[in-house]
Amino acid sequence: AQTVTQSQPEMSVQEAETVTLSCTYDTSESDYYLFWYKQPPSRQMILVIRQEAYKQQNATENRFSVNFQKAAKSFSLKISDSQLGDAAMYFCAYTKSGGSNYKLTFGKGTLLTVNP
Amino acid sequence: GAVVSQHPSWVICKSGTSVKIECRSLDFQATTMFWYRQFPKQSLMLMATSNEGSKATYEQGVEKDKFLINHASLTLSTLTVTSAHPEDSSFYICSASSPRYNEQFFGPGTRLTVL
Repeated sequence: AQTVTQSQPEMSVQEAETVTLSCTYDTSESDYYLFWYKQPPSRQMILVIRQEAYKQQNATENRFSVNFQKAAKSFSLKISDSQLGDAAMYFCAYTKSGGSNYKLTFGKGTLLTVNP
Repeated sequence: GAVVSQHPSWVICKSGTSVKIECRSLDFQATTMFWYRQFPKQSLMLMATSNEGSKATYEQGVEKDKFLINHASLTLSTLTVTSAHPEDSSFYICSASSPRYNEQFFGPGTRLTVL
């Protein structure tokens, strides 16, 4: 079975600084998708960034980027120039490839605090 | 973008009553919908996967008779918590997807409080 592990229950960062959230996963599949979701206090799940396993290039979305190490099964999220609005719970998630009709496996989450 | 709504956003009910939560995809046809449960400060736990027109597939440990899921159309899925008890109090989130997209779109969630 696939598992997703987030080893940092809580992280904090100073506004305008950079922070990296860790995620490791376990799967026997060769093709899959990895995601980082943000859940602010409103509890609405927001997709931050997505990585297809077959792509070697790391995904980036403005201030958000990932370090995808397929062999190590590692998928970390880097947030640059942190803003107060980045404060939220962040979940790493995995799904096997073949379409979005496959279920997501979530990590336990990392609570990010941004200090002014 | 794809939008998913949930109704109600918050419901309070008495123990022993049944509660229905609706999940709608507003601007796309959702072939698959997922129902999650989330306890405070915890991750999302998948309860079941439903495909339009067929029976839902429940995750291990989720009571089918307790949590009734119906996906009667490509834009609507419902979760009915039957004979609710205080331990059913939680935050319930749905998501929807289709072959057109490579992601699930999440609803805003429903907070259920059972007295």
